[in-house]
Amino acid sequence: EAGVVQSPRYKIIEKKQPVAFWCNPISGHNTLYWYLQNLGQGPELLIRYENEEAVDDSQLPKDRFSAERLKGVDSTLKIQPAELGDSAVYLCASSPGGLAFTGELFFGEGSRLTVL
Amino acid sequence: GENVEQHPSTLSVQEGDSAVIKCTYSDSASNYFPWYKQELGKRPQLIIDIRSNVGEKKDQRIAVTLNKTAKHFSLHITETQPEDSAVYFCAASKRNTPLVFGKGTRLSVIA
Repeated sequence: EAGVVQSPRYKIIEKKQPVAFWCNPISGHNTLYWYLQNLGQGPELLIRYENEEAVDDSQLPKDRFSAERLKGVDSTLKIQPAELGDSAVYLCASSPGGLAFTGELFFGEGSRLTVL
Repeated sequence: GENVEQHPSTLSVQEGDSAVIKCTYSDSASNYFPWYKQELGKRPQLIIDIRSNVGEKKDQRIAVTLNKTAKHFSLHITETQPEDSAVYFCAASKRNTPLVFGKGTRLSVIA
């Protein structure tokens, strides 16, 4: 069974440019998460989806970040415009069981963003 | 909201020695406590977890202990091997809330 797939793995852009990251969760997992991981830090939640509905987006900087999961399967995270401080790894994860689920999160390999 | 503190931030041990990483949490309602291992450039992967109805759980060389009264939990790795070198993250959550992670511990096992 395929794990969580993310692309691109690496992205280098100039500041003020837009960037988008894509995530395909494990089949059947209805909860999808985007986490931000700064260098030397633990993952921090940006947004959580239950199917196509964003249920936890209080940590998403909505002035420049947006996300969507239109059909409740794959998801896109966008930054426009990117700032130097956005350089980090963007991790996608999925889990089965819905919002009440407490258990293992399955992470993708991450998308490493460098803003110059 | 939940706050998870993790110590130490770095840990070096000789191969064969034990390693202990400690975490505290703030929300007494949290009931799920996983540990993730992240090798350089790789995804975080679950290595062991514990729920609040259990005080200790063991899986071969790794074990986790939970003290609900003190709101802390610890990861114990015995007979460490070079392949145990990685960053380890603790986390905590409760029903209907996402995992909150600690800042990580970089473990180096010296051969």
